[in-house]
Amino acid sequence: SAVISQKPSRDICQRGTSLTIQCQVDSQVTMMFWYRQQPGQSLTLIATANQGSEATYESGFVIDKFPISRPNLTFSTLTVSNMSPEDSSIYLCSVVAASEETQYFGPGTRLLVL
Amino acid sequence: SQQGEEDPQALSIQEGENATMNCSYKTSINNLQWYRQNSGRGLVHLILIRSNEREKHSGRLRVTLDTSKKSSSLLITASRAADTASYFCATDAYDYKLSFGAGTTVTVRA
Repeated sequence: SAVISQKPSRDICQRGTSLTIQCQVDSQVTMMFWYRQQPGQSLTLIATANQGSEATYESGFVIDKFPISRPNLTFSTLTVSNMSPEDSSIYLCSVVAASEETQYFGPGTRLLVL
Repeated sequence: SQQGEEDPQALSIQEGENATMNCSYKTSINNLQWYRQNSGRGLVHLILIRSNEREKHSGRLRVTLDTSKKSSSLLITASRAADTASYFCATDAYDYKLSFGAGTTVTVRA
């Protein structure tokens, strides 16, 4: 299984600012995703991080608000832009390795926006 | 978007008892995965069952899948205090994008 790390693990931010979350995997993976888990809720897919090209966003999520980069097969970033208290959530990256189906999740980044 | 429903929403059992939770979904799937989450931390992968499988075991976990009813169940046998967590099912409709159920919160009392 892949070992995934995320930075930061948690942060408290002021409204109107932006935060970039990093996701690092210990091996090359085919697919990388970003999910959001709002307080007391389940997980919702934000986007697929595509290596070397623009991310693919799900309905309700836009690039201006959640820009994503994936410069190589082991690293991706998610930025939460112009934050408001409604952005307070846990943000998780996940990966799928080549020739596998299992999707593994990082430890998450807990974000609180004041 | 979430396509799964889970029941019950919450479950409280005595240590040593079995815990069963159910997951239903709406569309055709490639596989269904179960995860555990402790206190809002990251998700731990428990088990994956493919659409052509009916039952799978892993230690004290037993998962069933009924594609005709679009439902799955997770059974945890001989529960322990460490099993206290939220459990989520997630379906993959052939594109690796997971749709999660609402989750079941399990509390195991000592």
